[in-house]
Amino acid sequence: DAGITQSPRHKVTETGTPVTLRCHQTENHRYMYWYRQDPGHGLRLIHYSYGVKDTDKGEVSDGYSVSRSKTEDFLLTLESATSSQTSVYFCAISESGTGAPGGYTFGSGTRLTVV
Amino acid sequence: GESVGLHLPTLSVQEGDNSIINCAYSNSASDYFIWYKQESGKGPQFIIDIRSNMDKRQGQRVTVLLNKTVKHLSLQIAATQPGDSAVYFCAENFPLTGGTSYGKLTFGQGTILTVHP
Repeated sequence: DAGITQSPRHKVTETGTPVTLRCHQTENHRYMYWYRQDPGHGLRLIHYSYGVKDTDKGEVSDGYSVSRSKTEDFLLTLESATSSQTSVYFCAISESGTGAPGGYTFGSGTRLTVV
Repeated sequence: GESVGLHLPTLSVQEGDNSIINCAYSNSASDYFIWYKQESGKGPQFIIDIRSNMDKRQGQRVTVLLNKTVKHLSLQIAATQPGDSAVYFCAENFPLTGGTSYGKLTFGQGTILTVHP
């Protein structure tokens, strides 16, 4: 997706290990989000950022932390990965806090498997 | 609750037909709505949006209708093509209080649209 890159695209990790996913944007948007997508649950917000060093929790934040030291990068860390965190993770960016106009722009996702 | 739901989880149509995907939302304070398309292995892609002060908005082959009275949102795709096959999500934003400009975008689970040649 133009202007937003997630890395890695795929990762397999062991239970109990820390994992960091990276979201990088070139749009200079203020707002960045991390979502997870699971069958039967749709997209659920983990954490979001409304500026450099300004972050807050979403609805499923337990077990996750985030950091944003630069406008362009938003990192999601699983402190100690568990099998329940096996999921597809999407980063999204937005110029405005409401998403209007044009909604959020999503990255291509990171498929994380915790074994 | 603050959930966004879909009436039909799957929809199959023939190429050339018009498709209608429905969505019900529960928060009457929601002020902005978005439809996304997600193809297999990809992230959601913006299709069209509509603000709560409108009841209809048209794009290229797509139309979104908003009925605030019954809290219902629909996406109409004209002359559906095989490339339209994907999962379609609706999302709603309701503004937070306290003067912040940040809202909360909540997504429905999606409808699978399959277009047969």
